Amino acid sequence: DAGVIQSPRHEVTEMGQEVTLRCKPISGHNSLFWYRQTMMRGLELLIYFNNNVPIDDSGMPEDRFSAKMPNASFSTLKIQPSEPRDSAVYFCASSRLAASTDTQYFGPGTRLTVL
Amino acid sequence: AQSVTQLGSHVSVSEGALVLLRCNYSSSVPPYLFWYVQYPNQGLQLLLKYTSAATLVKGINGFEAEFKKSETSFHLTKPSAHMSDAAEYFCAVSPNTGFQKLVFGTGTRLLVSP
Repeated sequence: DAGVIQSPRHEVTEMGQEVTLRCKPISGHNSLFWYRQTMMRGLELLIYFNNNVPIDDSGMPEDRFSAKMPNASFSTLKIQPSEPRDSAVYFCASSRLAASTDTQYFGPGTRLTVL
Repeated sequence: AQSVTQLGSHVSVSEGALVLLRCNYSSSVPPYLFWYVQYPNQGLQLLLKYTSAATLVKGINGFEAEFKKSETSFHLTKPSAHMSDAAEYFCAVSPNTGFQKLVFGTGTRLLVSP
C-alpha cells in the first residue's frame, strides 16, 4: 500500500497567489481529513469528508480556504488569496471508516511558505 | 469541549532508561484517547489508542499507555528507550460517538542520549 500521498511536498509562493494542495487517500478509505500544523496553534483539524461529502468544516479558518473531494481518490485544499500567516505544514489523513474507533493514516505533509 | 494537556514540551532520557510522557485529558463524557508519533519531516503515525476496552493499551515499538479515569490521565511509557525513539509525541482526544474528531495536545519532543 502506497499510503496517503500528498503533493507538492514543499510550496513557496508570494502573498496574494492561489495555492492548491493535493491529497490521494489510501485506496478503500472512505474518510478524509485535512489538518494544519503551526508552531503557534499546533495541529488543527480543518475539514472532514466522508464518502466524498464534507461533513465538518468548522475548522476552516476563513473564506479564503476551500476544500473539495470530487471523487474517492482525490482531494484538494485551496487557499486564495494566500497570506503569510497561512505558512504551515498541511497534512491529509484518511481512515477506512467514519467510526470514532478507526485509525487515521497521515500523509507526509505539504510545507507551505507564503512570502 | 474536549482537550488534552501534555506536560513538558521536551523530555530527555538516556538510552535504556524509562520513557514517561504525560497526558491529561478534559472531557465531560468518556473519551477515546490516542498517542501519535511524528518523526522529522514525516506525517503522524498512530502508536496506540484507547477506545473503552482494556485500560492498559499496548502499542507499537514497545510503548504502552494506561487510561486512568480517576486521574484523567493517559500517560505513555516505554521501559527502555532506544535512540530511534527520538521524535515528537502527540496525545489526542476524540468523542466516543460520531466521527473521529481528533483534538491534539501541543506535543512532547523526546530526546534520547547515548
